[in-house]
Amino acid sequence: QTVVTQEPSLTVSPGGTVTLTCASSTGAVTSDYFPNWFQQKPGQAPRALIYGTSNKHSWTPARFSGSLLGGKAALTLSGVQPEDEAEYYCLLYYGGDQQSVFGGGTKLTVL
Amino acid sequence: QVQLQESGPGLVKPSETLSLTCAVSGYSISSGFYWDWIRQPPGKGLEWIGNIYHSGSTFYNPSLKSRVTISVDTSKNQFSLKLNSVTAADTAVYYCARQGASTKHVDYWGQGILVIVSS
Repeated sequence: QTVVTQEPSLTVSPGGTVTLTCASSTGAVTSDYFPNWFQQKPGQAPRALIYGTSNKHSWTPARFSGSLLGGKAALTLSGVQPEDEAEYYCLLYYGGDQQSVFGGGTKLTVL
Repeated sequence: QVQLQESGPGLVKPSETLSLTCAVSGYSISSGFYWDWIRQPPGKGLEWIGNIYHSGSTFYNPSLKSRVTISVDTSKNQFSLKLNSVTAADTAVYYCARQGASTKHVDYWGQGILVIVSS
């Protein structure tokens, strides 16, 4: 069974920079996994932030960016705002099985 | 503006079938994209259930494949989820979402519907 792993929790100061990562149990994450990133606040549906590793949706704030880093997908928040406190999920696509798998989520605290 | 809206019973008895529908507005299902079902147990993370292409091709999470059926009704611009033999472990908020066919981007989500499995 494929497992996608994220940091359970991270803390960042307002105005700081933080990087969240997303690893696959099958090996290095590449662009072929079409990494997506989502933000979810309590009681709300997830909101799409990044797709295809580094592409932003029209509504994605400029301070969010996606990349590949050391064999993992990565989401970097630069100039963190208090409203960025949320749970963040990555989603990877496995073309061989044509299935998608979510990471366990990272709870980001802005403190 | 693309909008998705889940509907269905909020309470299902154990061993019965959970049935949900996702109505799509602002975009024609027949025009493309995959249409996904995703769930989230209370206090836990997201789980991809499966999806369907407008042509009817389906792909399922292997852990749920034996119990899941996703179908599409292009005339009503909606798609549906059936999950049979439910247990308490299937209690979750169920979301529908849109996924790009070639880019695999998941952009629009429904607001979610809480389904409780209990007698």
